Amino acid sequence: NAGVTQTPKFQVLKTGQSMTLQCAQDMNHEYMSWYRQDPGMGLRLIHYSVGAGITDQGEVPNGYNVSRSTTEDFPLRLLSAAPSQTSVYFCASSYQGFGNSPLHFGNGTRLTVT
Amino acid sequence: SQKIEQNSEALNIQEGKTATLTCNYTNYSPAYLQWYRQDPGRGPVFLLLIRENEKEKRKERLKVTFDTTLKQSLFHITASQPADSATYLCAKNGANFGNEKLTFGTGTRLTIIP
Repeated sequence: NAGVTQTPKFQVLKTGQSMTLQCAQDMNHEYMSWYRQDPGMGLRLIHYSVGAGITDQGEVPNGYNVSRSTTEDFPLRLLSAAPSQTSVYFCASSYQGFGNSPLHFGNGTRLTVT
Repeated sequence: SQKIEQNSEALNIQEGKTATLTCNYTNYSPAYLQWYRQDPGRGPVFLLLIRENEKEKRKERLKVTFDTTLKQSLFHITASQPADSATYLCAKNGANFGNEKLTFGTGTRLTIIP
């Protein structure tokens, strides 16, 4: 059972480039979310989805887009990378999204924007 | 705005002793509070969930308490071992019951000294 799979593990971008961080889960979870983790800031919610076709903004959504066309996949798109987006990005899923279900995290994508 | 704070950035405990980590929150009491473990280079892993009407939850050597009067949760590891060394995160759900956003603290880095 793979759980939550994130690709790539590492990525270096130049300012202004775009890219998509991939996230897939095989647990048939309805709820999926993206967090970024920065030193001293903890995990901050970027976007989340409560089911296929439904997405919403989290705490820090600017500069990022998401879509949810299937239950399994929840890609995060950086439209025009900026050095402030240098961070570790985590995708997570859960059976329900109301805080009453554990989140299952991937192992992250470490992104550096130069 | 809602805040969740973990008082200690780092905590060193002698092997065999009980480690106690603190999580404080402001304003309303969440319906659910969760604790996670994170190892370097890995995503957080769920440990325990406690509901607002539960005072205490146990799992093997782990114990979590939830005090809505003090607006505080305590996380205890008894008979601590060097393998318990990791960063521990607490998280709570959003403002309204059923709110889909889980907010994390910045974590406490626990080191168990042999």
